[in-house]
Amino acid sequence: LAKTTQPISMDSYEGQEVNITCSHNNIATNDYITWYQQFPSQGPRFIIQGYKTKVTNEVASLFIPADRKSSTLSLPRVSLSDTAVYYCLVGDLYSSASKIIFGSGTRLSIRP
Amino acid sequence: DGGITQSPKYLFRKEGQNVTLSCEQNLNHDAMYWYRQDPGQGLRLIYYSQIVNDFQKGDIAEGYSVSREKKESFPLTVTSAQKNPTAFYLCASSPSGRSSYNEQFFGPGTRLTVL
Repeated sequence: LAKTTQPISMDSYEGQEVNITCSHNNIATNDYITWYQQFPSQGPRFIIQGYKTKVTNEVASLFIPADRKSSTLSLPRVSLSDTAVYYCLVGDLYSSASKIIFGSGTRLSIRP
Repeated sequence: DGGITQSPKYLFRKEGQNVTLSCEQNLNHDAMYWYRQDPGQGLRLIYYSQIVNDFQKGDIAEGYSVSREKKESFPLTVTSAQKNPTAFYLCASSPSGRSSYNEQFFGPGTRLTVL
């Protein structure tokens, strides 16, 4: 299993772009990257998923460099409601979902 | 609306008592999961089920038991053997448990407090 490392916490202000980087140095060929968001006292919610290069949806963008040893979740123009914990996960396409590991995540705080 | 429901939202239990947490999904997903989350920590897998009538232990199964008699239901029993049961419990489901590529859909959680 590829281990992930991400900052414990980050602060930003409303309207700013926030980039959260996740390190996964031993990522394997069949591994892909997934990000979840969790608000206090709620279950995590899927944000975005990718294998390489760039993926964009209505919520965020995910940038993955060619070596895939890291990935960056980009949240454009954040608001107070983006205050949450963000988890970076690495999973093997051909392994059970039970192998997914949710680490401690990055606690993002958005200020007015 | 399709989704996952967990009940109750808050649960209080006396030491030495068993308690069962409910998890129901109407997403027609094959796989279901139970996680435990302690304050400031990530999620830890307790049990998972890839198909009806089958389930496997996760990383912290001791003191817990589950059943999967119906596709839509995956109840978790916290037994008196669980040394420190006070935590936030999350149930999730995914279309298939065979690949971790599938997005997991989470319920709202049950906060269990042992008095």
